[in-house]
Amino acid sequence: EAQLVESGGDLVKPGESLRLSCTASGFIFSNAWMSWVRQAPGKGLEWLGRIKSRVDGGATDYAAPVKGRFTISRDDSIRKLYLQMNSLKTEDTGVYFCTRGLCIGDSCTQFDPWGQGTLVTVSS
Amino acid sequence: EFVLTQSPSTLSLSPGETATLSCKASQSVISTYLAWYQQKPGQAPRLLIYGASSRATGIPDRFSGSGSGTDFTLTITRLEPEDFAMYYCQQYDSSSGFTFGPGTKVDIK
Repeated sequence: EAQLVESGGDLVKPGESLRLSCTASGFIFSNAWMSWVRQAPGKGLEWLGRIKSRVDGGATDYAAPVKGRFTISRDDSIRKLYLQMNSLKTEDTGVYFCTRGLCIGDSCTQFDPWGQGTLVTVSS
Repeated sequence: EFVLTQSPSTLSLSPGETATLSCKASQSVISTYLAWYQQKPGQAPRLLIYGASSRATGIPDRFSGSGSGTDFTLTITRLEPEDFAMYYCQQYDSSSGFTFGPGTKVDIK
């Protein structure tokens, strides 16, 4: 069974940095296109960015609100996905999920599975 | 900017009834790129429907998706107690990436 487990969430001050990790199991991680999605308290889901598999070029794409502040990377040797978050703002507070882009046929644009999420709180 | 609008924001129904959830896009969506998720409080989202109308693995057949272009629908027939949750639609386009709708909450009447 494919599983994802996030870690690294914490309470940080505005302007500080934080790195989240996501550990994958139960599927060939190196072939997967992986994304980060967050959810502010009581709000909806917001896609943050994606990293393609190394075999597909390993490129990253980011949503406008986090482009230039957040960086997604991966270490296929240990089946880990990372989200480096810099210059954090209070509005970055929320639960951060990692998720796999599930490929069905030629479409890899749905997400499954999802991790349980890790809470990031940005407050002075 | 790609925008998804979901209606209603809240749907109050009784077990056994049928829920009809709408997802409207600001631009035409390639149906292959439209998905629906269920999320319960304190849990991660779960993929229900992909490609606008295909059920994900293990999803009961009381869940169905339909639509094309800018208008999509998630229908849940014979509501079970475990179906009362938040539902999100999601689309992908190459210029703006992935977009989620604001969600529809299905609660018990």
